[in-house]
Amino acid sequence: EVHLLESGGGLVQPGGSLRLSCAASGFTFSSYAMSWVRQAPGKGLEWLSFISGSGISTYYADSVNGRFTISRDNSKNTLYLQMNSLRAEDTAVYFCARDSRPYYDSGSDFDYWGQGTLVTVSS
Amino acid sequence: EILMTQSPATLSVSPGERATLSCRASQSVGSNLAWYQQKPGQAPRLLVYGASTRATGIPARFSGSGSGTDFTLTISRLESEDFAVYYCQQYAASPRTFGQGTKVEIK
Repeated sequence: EVHLLESGGGLVQPGGSLRLSCAASGFTFSSYAMSWVRQAPGKGLEWLSFISGSGISTYYADSVNGRFTISRDNSKNTLYLQMNSLRAEDTAVYFCARDSRPYYDSGSDFDYWGQGTLVTVSS
Repeated sequence: EILMTQSPATLSVSPGERATLSCRASQSVGSNLAWYQQKPGQAPRLLVYGASTRATGIPARFSGSGSGTDFTLTISRLESEDFAVYYCQQYAASPRTFGQGTKVEIK
């Protein structure tokens, strides 16, 4: 059974940093691209970042480009999101999600999601 | 960036009735369109991909249609567990963008 479990969220001051992790199980992690998606309180879904199965290709939304870095360790079946220069508007639940098509790095739907981890940016 | 617009924002429906949700893209996305269901406190759940293909385990009362810029999600007979927020998402181009959501509430 596919399972994604995020961790690393919490309260951080504006300008601070945080690293989120997403532990994957139940599938061949390196075969699938992964993404991070967030949801601000009471708001909709916002795609943030993508990484190919190999980790070679990465993409970012304009809202986080230059501040956030996505990475993965396929030996540990874990996805990461390093978040720097955090702002109040980054307050959200952060989800990791699996692209549905294996060996495909051009973007697809998300067939599995973690339960999310809450990041609160506040002084 | 492709803008996805969903309508209506809120849909009030009685159990057993039909619900029709719309999603429009600002430019053609072909059939690269997915629908998700989200309940409070939960992660989104994939319902439909490729505009019209139901995801694994999704009941037949959910159906998707459309291509290009106009898409529809139909729930043929609403059951109690279907009251939730529904999002469309295009994956034809990066950034992959979501609609703002349609809340299906009990009438």
